[in-house]
Amino acid sequence: GENVEQHPSTLSVQEGDSAVIKCTYSDSASNYFPWYKQELGKRPQLIIDIRSNVGEKKDQRIAVTLNKTAKHFSLHITETQPEDSAVYFCAASRAGGGNKLTFGTGTQLKVEL
Amino acid sequence: EAQVTQNPRYLITVTGKKLTVTCSQNMNHEYMSWYRQDPGLGLRQIYYSMNVEVTDKGDVPEGYKVSRKEKRNFPLILESPSPNQTSLYFCASSLSWQSSNQPQHFGDGTRLSIL
Repeated sequence: GENVEQHPSTLSVQEGDSAVIKCTYSDSASNYFPWYKQELGKRPQLIIDIRSNVGEKKDQRIAVTLNKTAKHFSLHITETQPEDSAVYFCAASRAGGGNKLTFGTGTQLKVEL
Repeated sequence: EAQVTQNPRYLITVTGKKLTVTCSQNMNHEYMSWYRQDPGLGLRQIYYSMNVEVTDKGDVPEGYKVSRKEKRNFPLILESPSPNQTSLYFCASSLSWQSSNQPQHFGDGTRLSIL
């Protein structure tokens, strides 16, 4: 089955700096890669997703890049703010796989003032 | 408001006492799923359902049951809970298309403690 590895497990940045979280996946048939943000005590919320026919996608301060050859994808947050502090999860899913998401183990991002 | 609703939000119970966590969505989604979240392990899928009367095991199904008698409801049943099922549980739903994965929307979570 699919295996998703996520790094780093914790990340601390200064406000205004950029943050990058990286994930690798094992199943070459995976074609959908969402990112979720989970604030303390809250539900995971989708912040951005990318499909395998696209190499990069942006939404304001966040962007995701995908390298299908290397089987890795990354989340980039620019101009970080304190409200970006949360746990971020990457996930992967394959077409015809019953919409099953395999999640990474999460990255605790802390944005310091 | 489009949402996934779980009940209860918190539950402390004892080993062996059957419990059910309900999940309901109002978005007419075909796909529903249950996950458990444990520190350092991320979210792991317990069971999922592609549509009414269609359910299948996820990665960690042992000790759990589900049913999908109606499109909007997908209850999680612990017939004989054990302490290793102490966890934070999330229900999620999404549209389901044959060849294209869709974003999953999560409920607020249920924190279960089995003593």
